[in-house]
Amino acid sequence: GEDVEQSLFLSVREGDSSVINCTYTDSSSTYLYWYKQEPGAGLQLLTYIFSNMDMKQDQRLTVLLNKKDKHLSLRIADTQTGDSAIYFCAEYREDFGNEKLTFGTGTRLTIIP
Amino acid sequence: DTEVTQTPKHLVMGMTNKKSLKCEQHMGHRAMYWYKQKAKKPPELMFVYSYEKLSINESVPSRFSPECPNSSLLNLHLHALQPEDSALYLCASSQVTSGGARNEQFFGPGTRLTVL
Repeated sequence: GEDVEQSLFLSVREGDSSVINCTYTDSSSTYLYWYKQEPGAGLQLLTYIFSNMDMKQDQRLTVLLNKKDKHLSLRIADTQTGDSAIYFCAEYREDFGNEKLTFGTGTRLTIIP
Repeated sequence: DTEVTQTPKHLVMGMTNKKSLKCEQHMGHRAMYWYKQKAKKPPELMFVYSYEKLSINESVPSRFSPECPNSSLLNLHLHALQPEDSALYLCASSQVTSGGARNEQFFGPGTRLTVL
């Protein structure tokens, strides 16, 4: 099957904006998520967007959704050293009442001081 | 309490050993999940339990045996593993809803498993 694709690496200067992109596969996905994973840790849900929206803002985070192109992006404003992590997008499918998440390949964000 | 706990944090085992991974949550969630995450890869779903019954098995080899003894606990029993099974094993939990309502999956920190 197709993968949920992301660029593997992104380097950004501290204080600049980071934009992480994702191309997903299932146009019927109801929700799309962004997760953050710090080294040696589990996944933390950062934000999500419902499929009938095209933008969502949550403090420093802005999610943009282009359903036609199946493209999702996460913008982090004023990037800080604590934002260094791997970021995964994930698409949601419902399977007999269970939430199935399919994760993207992950983008490692490195902050340059 | 919005925490999912997993024990042990690290586990090293031989191919002939039998061991178990444990996961616990006290958020009243009735869906629990096991994921496997290889290095530099995204998590991949292994099993889903809903109301303590196995509802999804993503064609996982039988050397992995899940168990959900009650609504707060999820175990993963390991037997005769191979070195390629070395990975981070993540547990998650969520509410069970249907009809397109959104559920958030809460993840534990994972157990890093090394099979020698």
